[in-house]
Amino acid sequence: EVQLVESGGGLVQPGRSLKLSCAASGFTFSNYYMAWVRQAPTKGLEWVASITNSGGSTYYRDSVKGRFTISRDNAKSTLYLQMDSLRSEDTATYYCTREDWYFDFWGPGTMVTVSS
Amino acid sequence: DIVMTQSPTSMSISVGDRVTMNCKASQNVGSNVDWYQQKTGQSPKLLIYKASNRYTGVPDRFTGSGSGTDFTFTISNMQAEDLAVYYCMQSNSYTFGAGTKLELK
Repeated sequence: EVQLVESGGGLVQPGRSLKLSCAASGFTFSNYYMAWVRQAPTKGLEWVASITNSGGSTYYRDSVKGRFTISRDNAKSTLYLQMDSLRSEDTATYYCTREDWYFDFWGPGTMVTVSS
Repeated sequence: DIVMTQSPTSMSISVGDRVTMNCKASQNVGSNVDWYQQKTGQSPKLLIYKASNRYTGVPDRFTGSGSGTDFTFTISNMQAEDLAVYYCMQSNSYTFGAGTKLELK
């Protein structure tokens, strides 16, 4: 059974950093692209970043370029999102997803609140 | 950026109804549109990929159609467990529609 479990969310002040993790199991992690998708409270879904199966290429939405870094450790079957210079508009639930031309599996999400 | 305009924003429906919602892309996206269901308090779930392909285990009352810029998602026989917000997404550059919320009449 495919499982994705995010961790690392919490309350952080504007301008500070936070690192999210996503532990994957039930599939060969190194065979799949992975992505982060976020959802602000009571809002819709927004793709944040993607990474190829090897980790050799990464892609970001414009609003997080230069501030967020997606990475992975295939030996640990874990996906990461390093978030720096956080802003109030980054407040959201962050979902880890498996990417296979579509997002076929999602974790339960981890909440990030950026507030002073 | 490709904008996905989804309509309607919400619908009041009854069990057994046929439900249709639409998504219009701001430019040609071919067949690269997926549909997701998100129930309250849950993470999204993939229903339809590449415009018209039902994902594994998805009931056949859910169908998708369209290509280019205009896409349609239909629930043929609405069930109570289908109450949710439905999102379209173009998978060329990953932008979502704003969602259609289904509520009981």
